[in-house]
Amino acid sequence: DAGVTQSPTHLIKTRGQQVTLRCSPKSGHDTVSWYQQALGQGPQFIFQYYEEEERQRGNFPDRFSGHQFPNYSSELNVNALLLGDSALYLCASSLETSWTGGLGEKLFFGSGTQLSVL
Amino acid sequence: GNSVTQMEGPVTLSEEAFLTINCTYTATGYPSLFWYVQYPGEGLQLLLKATKADDKGSNKGFEATYRKETTSFHLEKGSVQVSDSAVYFCALERGGSEKLVFGKGTKLTVNP
Repeated sequence: DAGVTQSPTHLIKTRGQQVTLRCSPKSGHDTVSWYQQALGQGPQFIFQYYEEEERQRGNFPDRFSGHQFPNYSSELNVNALLLGDSALYLCASSLETSWTGGLGEKLFFGSGTQLSVL
Repeated sequence: GNSVTQMEGPVTLSEEAFLTINCTYTATGYPSLFWYVQYPGEGLQLLLKATKADDKGSNKGFEATYRKETTSFHLEKGSVQVSDSAVYFCALERGGSEKLVFGKGTKLTVNP
């Protein structure tokens, strides 16, 4: 049973460019959340997708956008990259109907995409 | 707002030493509390959880007790192993928020 897979694992971009990161959720999961983990910091919630719609969003600018496909996979897009966007981007999946007792215990994280903006 | 504060790292211990990583939180209502672990090159893994006051979460020899009076959730292990070397994150989920708020993480290195 494959877990959460993310691609690519590493990416180098220059300021002003656009980037797309991809995530395939764990088999059977229907909800995808994205987190940004800057160096030396804890992950910060970007947004969450369910039924192909953004259900909830953290404190990130509109340059960060996403998409969820009918097969539940998801993309994170970042436009007009800034140096400060350099970070590890983590995808986490879960199953909507399993959210009893807290989401935190139901989340499965991928290994992340390391984005470097030069 | 909701926030988590962890003790600053890095922490370096010898094998079989006692481990404590402090975590305090600020949150409205009654959040669920978690410890996640991140091994090098891997994603975050849930280590243990507690969903209400006085609950004790435990897993793999690690323990943490949800202390509402001190708003704390300190991680402890009686005897660490080299394989415990990783980054540990304390996190909270405010009821119904469907998102996690993490601390900055504490890097633990255990030497043989």
